Amino acid sequence: GAGVSQTPSNKVTEKGKYVELRCDPISGHTALYWYRQSLGQGPEFLIYFQGTGAADDSGLPNDRFFAVRPEGSVSTLKIQRTERGDSAVYLCASSLRSSGGARANEQFFGPGTRLTVL
Amino acid sequence: DAKTTQPTSMDCAEGRAANLPCNHSTISGNEYVYWYRQIHSQGPQYIIHGLKNNETNEMASLIITEDRKSSTLILPHATLRDTAVYYCIVRGVMNNNAGNMLTFGGGTRLMVKP
Repeated sequence: GAGVSQTPSNKVTEKGKYVELRCDPISGHTALYWYRQSLGQGPEFLIYFQGTGAADDSGLPNDRFFAVRPEGSVSTLKIQRTERGDSAVYLCASSLRSSGGARANEQFFGPGTRLTVL
Repeated sequence: DAKTTQPTSMDCAEGRAANLPCNHSTISGNEYVYWYRQIHSQGPQYIIHGLKNNETNEMASLIITEDRKSSTLILPHATLRDTAVYYCIVRGVMNNNAGNMLTFGGGTRLMVKP
């Protein structure tokens, strides 16, 4: 079946611009996660949704970053007034649910969106 | 979640077993050991997880020491396609909405050579 998809695959923008990154999770997965990965490092958690609500946004670096998931499926990560330090690969993952047995928590990752801020 | 320590890099000959160690000496009783890998330009991929018993699936085996302070991921017959960064992650499975993110360290860069 279809996995997690992310669009665009690459995004180049200029400092100060606004960008939106989209994530389509696996159908039926109620939990959705956003991570950010800088070059040579492991992914870092940003925010996690259970259904439509953000259950944990403790990883968002500042108030320029915001994410929504209005219908409990597709999610959009929004970055305002982009800075060069925001350049990274933004990864989205989904899981069947966020609680319960360990296997139900298995996270399936998309290919990521590579954001470059010039 | 407990912190993990892994070697930065390892080499393995094609066709041989790759044994990737991970230390997690501060692991607590309700924390699982998960392994993910990330092939170049792709998102991380789940491999296997375990609590205290050894586990095996079609991709790998996971050996967890009796005291649970360390584990080893085994790829029994490594192929060139197994070249990737392998992440060992310790994670509690909560029955609420908190703490379900994955905390990645630096991982081990495994290079499988012909």
